[in-house]
Amino acid sequence: AQSVTQLDSQVPVFEEAPVELRCNYSSSVSVYLFWYVQYPNQGLQLLLKYLSGSTLVKGINGFEAEFNKSQTSFHLRKPSVHISDTAEYFCAVTLTGGFKTIFGAGTRLFVKA
Amino acid sequence: DADVTQTPRNRITKTGKRIMLECSQTKGHDRMYWYRQDPGLGLRLIYYSFDVKDINKGEISDGYSVSRQAQAKFSLSLESAIPNQTALYFCATSDGAVYEQYFGPGTRLTVT
Repeated sequence: AQSVTQLDSQVPVFEEAPVELRCNYSSSVSVYLFWYVQYPNQGLQLLLKYLSGSTLVKGINGFEAEFNKSQTSFHLRKPSVHISDTAEYFCAVTLTGGFKTIFGAGTRLFVKA
Repeated sequence: DADVTQTPRNRITKTGKRIMLECSQTKGHDRMYWYRQDPGLGLRLIYYSFDVKDINKGEISDGYSVSRQAQAKFSLSLESAIPNQTALYFCATSDGAVYEQYFGPGTRLTVT
């Protein structure tokens, strides 16, 4: 069975500091990897995705993530966060063929002034 | 206008009532999904549909039913609402070739 584990439920960080949100997954088949962001009172929107190719992917708002196949991880990073990055972030995996997507439990990022 | 819309945005209902949540999309996608979000549990799939004639159960379909009235419309029904169905419900769509999902704004449902 497939699973997604987000290792931190909450991450507090000061403005302009770097941040890493961790995501590990387990799957017996190939997967596509995604990070979504949910701002308060909104639906989820795509930050970035890994389908194939370069293992370092860049997304919107200065975020990037690196796919590590040997460690089955897809950690999200930003070198300098802003107050506006305060949101909940979800890691997700989709089985190749697109038949099923599994979401992690989410990580709440709090950016403090 | 939003690509994926959900109605209502908020609903309070009583135990035992039937309720329908509606979703419409203008993205032209064939695939549509219903999820529920609970704190600390992320999103869990209730039902999904890959085209008008294709309906599939997700991981938590008990107590729910769906109807795909057209490519653009996908409704979720709670036949007899119970308090543990209190949650935030999201509709999403995707293009089968791209896999990323596009979400509606959510419906906050409270069952008292």
